[in-house]
Amino acid sequence: EAQVTQNPRYLITVTGKKLTVTCSQNMNHEYMSWYRQDPGLGLRQIYYSMNVEVTDKGDVPEGYKVSRKEKRNFPLILESPSPNQTSLYFCASSPQGPREAFFGQGTRLTVV
Amino acid sequence: RKEVEQDPGPFNVPEGATVAFNCTYSNSASQSFFWYRQDCRKEPKLLMSVYSSGNEDGRFTAQLNRASQYISLLIRDSKLSDSATYLCVVNPSNFGNEKLTFGTGTRLTIIP
Repeated sequence: EAQVTQNPRYLITVTGKKLTVTCSQNMNHEYMSWYRQDPGLGLRQIYYSMNVEVTDKGDVPEGYKVSRKEKRNFPLILESPSPNQTSLYFCASSPQGPREAFFGQGTRLTVV
Repeated sequence: RKEVEQDPGPFNVPEGATVAFNCTYSNSASQSFFWYRQDCRKEPKLLMSVYSSGNEDGRFTAQLNRASQYISLLIRDSKLSDSATYLCVVNPSNFGNEKLTFGTGTRLTIIP
């Protein structure tokens, strides 16, 4: 089954404790991206990757890191999480460029 | 001005009715346009792409007006299962790459 898989689905952590949210797709898509969704603000892009070893900042990259060492995986790293990073995070992939995107099920992160 | 603007609703519509949403975008060079559907607390899913000539998929019709910079979605014979938030999505890049910009969504509830 074609899918984008994120883990964990739910995470509560404390300020400053490094965490990684994994994202994996099995569709051989070149383009992957991370979004956060907050009430009243909609989905905002954090980082994107056009292909392996090619990443770039989206609209709200501060406080986040990503890597794209393999085509299928695109982890999101929060080196020192803060409460303002409490949000619902989505990973997405698409065949080429940010067109028809397939989304993962989301990761609800709470930073206390 | 927001890059993509939608009426947040909510729209409460009786089953069987026709409902239409509009969305405006600010970047006249935008290349690609989409409607996504998002159920409560779930991931967004592509509903349909929007083509310059307009397109139809069953009960759903999408239109693009480049001169006025808006796109629309028409739902005919609405079903209870159409209740969701509808996201207007634009690829604003001149090169057709990089990112998608999401509207904050229009919430639709179909009433029995």
